[in-house]
Parts: sequence; C-alpha cells; structure tokens
Amino acid sequence: AQKVTQAQTEISVVEKEDVTLDCVYETRDTTYYLFWYKQPPSGELVFLIRRNSFDEQNEISGRYSWNFQKSTSSFKFTITASQVVDSAVYFCALSEVNRDDKIIFGKGTRLHILP
Amino acid sequence: NAGVTQTPKFRILKIGQSMTLQCAQDMNHNYMYWYRQDPGMGLKLIYYSVGAGITDKGEVPNGYNVSRSTTEDFPLRLELAAPSQTSVYFCASSRDRTGSNEQFFGPGTRLTVL
Repeated sequence: AQKVTQAQTEISVVEKEDVTLDCVYETRDTTYYLFWYKQPPSGELVFLIRRNSFDEQNEISGRYSWNFQKSTSSFKFTITASQVVDSAVYFCALSEVNRDDKIIFGKGTRLHILP
Repeated sequence: NAGVTQTPKFRILKIGQSMTLQCAQDMNHNYMYWYRQDPGMGLKLIYYSVGAGITDKGEVPNGYNVSRSTTEDFPLRLELAAPSQTSVYFCASSRDRTGSNEQFFGPGTRLTVL
C-alpha cells in the first residue's frame, strides 16, 4: 500500500534555529517520486522539491536541504537558520509511476517559527 | 500566465443544494486534479483527468462529479451538498504525469455546508 507518514504534527522553534521535518513513506514500486510542498497561512500550496527514487543525492537550495535515504524510506527536509516567514504547514507526498499518476499526501507538519 | 484559477473563493451552501466549483488553467497542461483538504489533514484526491474527455476517480469521489470538455477547464460538481463536504477544495494541473512534473495548485475554494 502507498502511504506517507509525517509523525510530527506540530513543531515550534525559535527563529534562527535549524529544524528538520521527517517524512517516511511506504511503497511496493521501485520507481516513484517524492515531493515536499509548503502551505503558508495564506492557504496556497507551493511546490518545493521533487525527487525520483533513483536519485539519492542530497539537495540544497538556499536555507533548505533535503536528505533522501531509500534504505530507511525517509525523505527529510531541513530548514537552516529558520525565519518567521518559514512558518507554514509542510506536506510530504509520494507518487508511484505505475499508479495512474495519483499523488498521496501526508497529513502535514505545522511549523511555527517564533520571533 | 494566470496559472490555475478557481472560483469562487468562498461559498456557503445549505444541505441538499448543488453547486459547481470552477477550475481553469492557461498552461496547456494535460493533467488536472481536484483535491479536498479537511482541517489538520493532507490533501485527498477526488477526481483527476489526463486530458480532455477523460476523467477518473480518485480516493474520495462519492458525492462529486466532474467533466473535462476542454483542456483548460475542469469543473467539479456537488449535486446534493452534505455537511461532510465542508472542506477546502484545491484544483491542480501538471503538464504530464504527476511523477515527472510538479503540480501547480490553484488558490483553493473554501466551502461550508450548513
């Protein structure tokens, strides 16, 4: 079964601290894609990153970085030197190539960055 | 490009009423999707379409209908509104298969059924 688990429901950190959001997934396919989306208080969904299952290289984009570990079915998202504008709900998602293009979202992690 | 647009932004319905949520995209994307987001939950797929004239059910299709007569438009129809359909509805599109392309989301429609 296809499943995405974000065990952290809510996290609060003080501005400038680093924070890591966890995502664990289940899939029977060998070819799949993983995503992170951000949903700020305004409500829209913003695409952050897509990884395919054959690319385990870590990725860094400014203060954001992602760690994909296939062996543990984990796709972690780290924000370095957090800022108040990072406050949002973050969703991890999974899409299996052979699954009619359906994307399964986790329940999200609500991140509060305190000034 | 306007991207993905949705109307209305907010709506209150009475139980049993009907309405259509509009979704349009101007990116010439083949794939379009409707999701609902309940409080504290992730998104659940209602219906999707891989091209004009082709639609298919997602995870939670009951109580909804869709049509895709053009590439640009993908309306979602609620025939007999129920309180359980109170949610935020997002429309999304992608150029090709979900996995190989990101999905672009509309701003959402907040629907309350009383």
